Amino acid sequence: EPEVTQTPSHQVTQMGQEVILRCVPISNHLYFYWYRQILGQKVEFLVSFYNNEISEKSEIFDDQFSVERPDGSNFTLKIRSTKLEDSAMYFCASSGTGGSNQPQHFGDGTRLSIL
Amino acid sequence: RKEVEQDPGPFNVPEGATVAFNCTYSNSASQSFFWYRQDCRKEPKLLMSVYSSGNEDGRFTAQLNRASQYISLLIRDSKLSDSATYLCVVNIAGGGADGLTFGKGTHLIIQP
Repeated sequence: EPEVTQTPSHQVTQMGQEVILRCVPISNHLYFYWYRQILGQKVEFLVSFYNNEISEKSEIFDDQFSVERPDGSNFTLKIRSTKLEDSAMYFCASSGTGGSNQPQHFGDGTRLSIL
Repeated sequence: RKEVEQDPGPFNVPEGATVAFNCTYSNSASQSFFWYRQDCRKEPKLLMSVYSSGNEDGRFTAQLNRASQYISLLIRDSKLSDSATYLCVVNIAGGGADGLTFGKGTHLIIQP
């Protein structure tokens, strides 16, 4: 069964440094997403991406965040100057045609630890 | 204002029992509804979509009540492997580009 893959599985970074989280969505999917989950809290939407541009973003997705699809397979989330509160699990997801009731399929996440 | 509310549990249930979870959502315009399960420190995995007429997938039955803004999940003949956190998830606008809104989840523990 096709799956969303994410690298690295765990990233440890000093506060203030830049990090790039990588995702390979399911190959025929058109919509891509990033979510985060702070330990013990609910999963929160960050951003959606379609047709090479951001479709929707939450209030969490401020100027320190950016997304990119640098080639035909990868989808990246960059955090420019990390803060302690960016420590969380980051999940990438993708969905197919984008019609109503299309479920999103999640990768197994990158655990980001900011020191 | 909480958009998707769930009883956090934990629900401690003996193996073989039937268990039901409920969820309420605040935005009456919400379009699409799902149940995901999440194992400890793992990704959310789609369990089932929830349709207006209700739907069943094996031991799992989901119901939607739009008038009461209420979603339910019923698990029959529960197995040890059903132990997980069950996430009620809503797509408020219903479009492919829209982010999902998650509840905090209901923690289920199936006891042998």
